[in-house]
Amino acid sequence: AQSVSQHNHHVILSEAASLELGCNYSYGGTVNLFWYVQYPGQHLQLLLKYFSGDPLVKGIKGFEAEFIKSKFSFNLRKPSVQWSDTAEYFCAVNVRAAGNKLTFGGGTRVLVKP
Amino acid sequence: KAGVTQTPRYLIKTRGQQVTLSCSPISGHRSVSWYQQTPGQGLQFLFEYFSETQRNKGNFPGRFSGRQFSNSRSEMNVSTLELGDSALYLCASSINQGDSPLHFGNGTRLTVT
Repeated sequence: AQSVSQHNHHVILSEAASLELGCNYSYGGTVNLFWYVQYPGQHLQLLLKYFSGDPLVKGIKGFEAEFIKSKFSFNLRKPSVQWSDTAEYFCAVNVRAAGNKLTFGGGTRVLVKP
Repeated sequence: KAGVTQTPRYLIKTRGQQVTLSCSPISGHRSVSWYQQTPGQGLQFLFEYFSETQRNKGNFPGRFSGRQFSNSRSEMNVSTLELGDSALYLCASSINQGDSPLHFGNGTRLTVT
């Protein structure tokens, strides 16, 4: 069975700082990779996804992620965060062509101080 | 386009009771998945339905069940509720089965007392 680990449970940073959230998964086959964000009081929203092709994926709100197959990693980055990026971020994986069974990481709570 | 709609938003039940949660997917979406979110266990997959058939199932006891109707709407049922079933239950829909992103609803907050 696949598993997903997110290295940081909590991150606190100031506005304009750069953000990088780590995500590693364990599965030997072909996977689809996702980052979801949950803003306070809101539902989970898709930030970006990787299915195939260019391993550097750009998402909404200035976020990007890089898939490194050899490291089983899919780290999320944003060069300059804003207070509105305060949220919980979830990395998720599903096995390609095996349905919509997403395995989520434990989440990283990000607090951006104004 | 309307998003994924879950009803009710909040529920309070007593141990031993049963509960039914409802989910209306985005129009045109045929896949509906259910997840349980708790502070301790995080987001865990319950099951997925596609065209009224259960395609995937997570590691939950048989007290958790679901179904999907011909209009893609889905319900999940939890029988003989336990305190540990208190959680946010999320429904997500997508166009196809796999290889398309999930769109989540706001969830149903279930409290078991």
